[in-house]
Amino acid sequence: SAVISQKPSRDICQRGTSLTIQCQVDSQVTMMFWYRQQPGQSLTLIATANQGSEATYESGFVIDKFPISRPNLTFSTLTVSNMSPEDSSIYLCSVEWTGLVEQFFGPGTRLTVL
Amino acid sequence: RKEVEQDPGPFNVPEGATVAFNCTYSNSASQSFFWYRQDCRKEPKLLMSVYSSGNEDGRFTAQLNRASQYISLLIRDSKLSDSATYLCAGHSSQDQFYFGTGTSLTVIP
Repeated sequence: SAVISQKPSRDICQRGTSLTIQCQVDSQVTMMFWYRQQPGQSLTLIATANQGSEATYESGFVIDKFPISRPNLTFSTLTVSNMSPEDSSIYLCSVEWTGLVEQFFGPGTRLTVL
Repeated sequence: RKEVEQDPGPFNVPEGATVAFNCTYSNSASQSFFWYRQDCRKEPKLLMSVYSSGNEDGRFTAQLNRASQYISLLIRDSKLSDSATYLCAGHSSQDQFYFGTGTSLTVIP
């Protein structure tokens, strides 16, 4: 089965700084997504990472705060910019393969902002 | 109103018991549904997909009731290792994927 990896797995950051999270898949995927999961909460979709074009953001999320790149079919990054303690959360990438609607998740990045 | 609603629990059941979770959805255009299992501090992992009326895999049975707009997950002969949070999810024809808040299960020895 395919492997989805994320880096870093966790980080502790100071407010006002930015962190870039990487998601790497070992095979080409159709769709890549970025989610946030705050403690005790469900998954909230941040955006769909589109290969070769700007990401599609969900209501409440903007490109200036969460810039996303997807340079090819196996890799994406999410940047959490100008962080505040409210950004402390688990950030997860997920992928869909061609012909499937199921989403499969990376191991997540646990972010703590002080 | 949330797209998908679940009873958060917690469900505490003895080992060997049968437990069922329900998940209601509001989007009648939803085409397919899924149950994910999420262990503490881990990512959600796909447990079952539900495309038609239901699906069975060993001790796990998922059922879909389109008329009443709910899906259920039945776990028979519960094991200690079944303790986790179970998330239901739906996928609409508009290619929207949405998750419930999860139901917490603890299986007690």
